[in-house]
Amino acid sequence: EAGVVQSPRYKIIEKKQPVAFWCNPISGHNTLYWYRQNLGQGPELLIRYENEEAVDDSQLPKDRFSAERLKGVDSTLKIQPAELGDSAVYLCASSLVAGNPTGELFFGEGSRLTVL
Amino acid sequence: AQKITQTQPGMFVQEKEAVTLDCTYDTSDPSYGLFWYKQPSSGEMIFLIYQGSYDQQNATEGRYSLNFQKARKSANLVISASQLGDSAMYFCAMRESSRGSTLGRLYFGRGTQLTVWP
Repeated sequence: EAGVVQSPRYKIIEKKQPVAFWCNPISGHNTLYWYRQNLGQGPELLIRYENEEAVDDSQLPKDRFSAERLKGVDSTLKIQPAELGDSAVYLCASSLVAGNPTGELFFGEGSRLTVL
Repeated sequence: AQKITQTQPGMFVQEKEAVTLDCTYDTSDPSYGLFWYKQPSSGEMIFLIYQGSYDQQNATEGRYSLNFQKARKSANLVISASQLGDSAMYFCAMRESSRGSTLGRLYFGRGTQLTVWP
């Protein structure tokens, strides 16, 4: 079974440029998460989808970040314009049922963003 | 307040020895789940073990066990017979089950870097 797939693995851009990350979750997983992990810290949730609905986006900086999950499968996270402080690893994860407390998250390898 | 606290930035253990990674949590939710993840240098977060707040027994998965002390709000990870491949970052995480829109949100600690030496 294929795991969570993310692309690109690495991205270097100059500040004020746009950038987009793509995530393909595990087949059948209805819940998708985007996390940001700053250097030396644990991941922090940006947004959570149940199917195509964003049910938890309170920590997404909506002035420059946007996300979508069309058809409830793949998802894209966009930053426009990027700032120096956005340099981080962006992790995508999926799980089967959000309301199941025992449902662990399966993570992709992450997209490492460097903003110069 | 921090939901998850990991007080050990780094730990060292010799191969074949056991090691305990500390984790304390903060919640007023009576129903919650505790997770441990391993993050090797490749970056992927790998699920290790889960403990539910109502579970009577400590969770075990192979060489991993979770020392769950509910009254102390502690969920330490014990790795027995350490291997060189265990060298990685380890994260403790918690999910609360009864908190409305944050249901399902997984809160992570800052992690502990484990180094296993031969």
